[in-house]
Amino acid sequence: DGGITQSPKYLFRKEGQNVTLSCEQNLNHDAMYWYRQDPGQGLRLIYYSQIVNDFQKGDIAEGYSVSREKKESFPLTVTSAQKNPTAFYLCASSPETRKGNQPQHFGDGTRLSIL
Amino acid sequence: AQTVTQSQPEMSVQEAETVTLSCTYDTSESDYYLFWYKQPPSRQMILVIRQEAYKQQNATENRFSVNFQKAAKSFSLKISDSQLGDAAMYFCAYRSPYNAGNMLTFGGGTRLMVKP
Repeated sequence: DGGITQSPKYLFRKEGQNVTLSCEQNLNHDAMYWYRQDPGQGLRLIYYSQIVNDFQKGDIAEGYSVSREKKESFPLTVTSAQKNPTAFYLCASSPETRKGNQPQHFGDGTRLSIL
Repeated sequence: AQTVTQSQPEMSVQEAETVTLSCTYDTSESDYYLFWYKQPPSRQMILVIRQEAYKQQNATENRFSVNFQKAAKSFSLKISDSQLGDAAMYFCAYRSPYNAGNMLTFGGGTRLMVKP
């Protein structure tokens, strides 16, 4: 079945450590997104990518980095510069189309906590 | 920039009854897209229903329907014959067709509880 796979499901970070969250999709979607969700709140956009080798900052990109070397993969690195990384992280993808009614498809998320 | 507001942090409904979740948004654009997503305890985001702003007819998907009032910038979700499986967080989202990245702007969410 086509879908988005995020791994790991749970991740723990030590102080000063960089960690990478994986996101893989087999939907052949051009666009991919990373969102952060804090308890009881909505989703906020971290980074997005419309095509391979290109990505743009979202609303809360500080302390995060991404790469898009392959169409199906969009990993997110939470760097030591992100002082409050504890949150739920969701990856999404959508067809890159001028028809904005195409919904974004989401993975199951990764919960990141600080040790 | 667009903003999306969900004024009801929590709602509850009796099983088999009907409930309406509110969503308002602020935009200066005339063309856009609106979505309702459901996030059950498993945390996966599931699309419930979508609406194109240029369509006057309200979208319907089985027990889910919307009341889209463009002039009032309101996009409420009605759930009929509520079921226990409807218990979840519900998020309203806005997408601009003029935004190259097709990003979504989400509201803060409404937690729906369904009482047996």
